Amino acid sequence: EPEVTQTPSHQVTQMGQEVILRCVPISNHLYFYWYRQILGQKVEFLVSFYNNEISEKSEIFDDQFSVERPDGSNFTLKIRSTKLEDSAMYFCASMPRRDNEQFFGPGTRLTVL
Amino acid sequence: AQKITQTQPGMFVQEKEAVTLDCTYDTSDQSYGLFWYKQPSSGEMIFLIYQGSYDEQNATEGRYSLNFQKARKSANLVISASQLGDSAMYFCAPFGGGGADGLTFGKGTHLIIQP
Repeated sequence: EPEVTQTPSHQVTQMGQEVILRCVPISNHLYFYWYRQILGQKVEFLVSFYNNEISEKSEIFDDQFSVERPDGSNFTLKIRSTKLEDSAMYFCASMPRRDNEQFFGPGTRLTVL
Repeated sequence: AQKITQTQPGMFVQEKEAVTLDCTYDTSDQSYGLFWYKQPSSGEMIFLIYQGSYDEQNATEGRYSLNFQKARKSANLVISASQLGDSAMYFCAPFGGGGADGLTFGKGTHLIIQP
């Protein structure tokens, strides 16, 4: 069964460094999302992406964040200059069409030291 | 902004009993659906069940069913004949009429099934 994949599973970085989290959504899905979950808290929406552009973003998704779908298969989240409070699990999700379930990847645990 | 309330931060239930997890939401959208996801201790987010606001009947998916009361804006998840493997965090997430919006999750209910 097709699934969303994410790499790496765990990333450790120093404060101020740039990180790129990678996701491969399910083939033929049209809508793509990033979420984060700080340890012990709820899952929070960051950004949605459709037709090669951002369709919606939350207050969390500030200028330090960017997303790309560079080659039709990968979907990346870049954090330009990481802060301690960026430490969280980051989930990628994809959806085949409107009004359908979002399929989540296994997540990348980001630790900022 | 949507507000989602899951009033039970934690629940202990005996194996094989049925359990009801509460979820209420506040949305001005006339057309919306609602998802429930399960997050076991391993961390992945697993889709359980979906209810569309115009669905005539409550959604059912195996041991999972929804008690959807549109007027009260509640969509409680019922798990019948609970199993040890049901121990996990459970999150509800309504979504709006656009059908492609990012999900806003509740704070979740930590369900522990006891043998």
